[in-house]
Amino acid sequence: ETGVTQTPRHLVMGMTNKKSLKCEQHLGHNAMYWYKQSAKKPLELMFVYNFKEQTENNSVPSRFSPECPNSSHLFLHLHTLQPEDSALYLCASSHSGTSEYNEQFFGPGTRLTVL
Amino acid sequence: GQNIDQPTEMTATEGAIVQINCTYQTSGFNGLFWYQQHAGEAPTFLSYNVLDGLEEKGRFSSFLSRSKGYSYLLLKELQMKDSASYLCAVKDSNYQLIWGAGTKLIIKP
Repeated sequence: ETGVTQTPRHLVMGMTNKKSLKCEQHLGHNAMYWYKQSAKKPLELMFVYNFKEQTENNSVPSRFSPECPNSSHLFLHLHTLQPEDSALYLCASSHSGTSEYNEQFFGPGTRLTVL
Repeated sequence: GQNIDQPTEMTATEGAIVQINCTYQTSGFNGLFWYQQHAGEAPTFLSYNVLDGLEEKGRFSSFLSRSKGYSYLLLKELQMKDSASYLCAVKDSNYQLIWGAGTKLIIKP
């Protein structure tokens, strides 16, 4: 399998549930990203990991908790979410988090609905 | 604050040419990217500009003017499959990508 994969592709959860999103990249990259994409809004960068170290946390609420056990895997743990957290969550990877030309490769996303 | 502006939606005819503009105000500049995103799919990389001028890649070209904070994506010989959203993103001084909201391009026969 190649590229960036994400599971599940769709997720419906209640506000009291706990769930996790998984991302895996098969590109040998060292940087991984979580983005939130809401309709008609710019992509919002949530977290960045560079060589397994978290380098960015853009004021994301604590109900979102990332985990990066190695350079190929990234998780987003979800708990006590709000309906406004419903969105498409995209994972991306790149060679490095700190260079000019650094194309990011995206996974297909997880469509999250919070009831 | 940092800001990327692009039109929300554009309509064009199959076989024609369309230009999608992007203006930006960012803290620092380390390159500008264009991505294509079909509905329900992942964004895919189209082009990268870091120096002023035009970069051509097949039917797609991207132009950059750093002094004007301006870029455009030019799509020629439009095909129905070009119907998608086109995302402009600028890498700032911290090497973070700042994204525009995207331009939804509708191609009509």
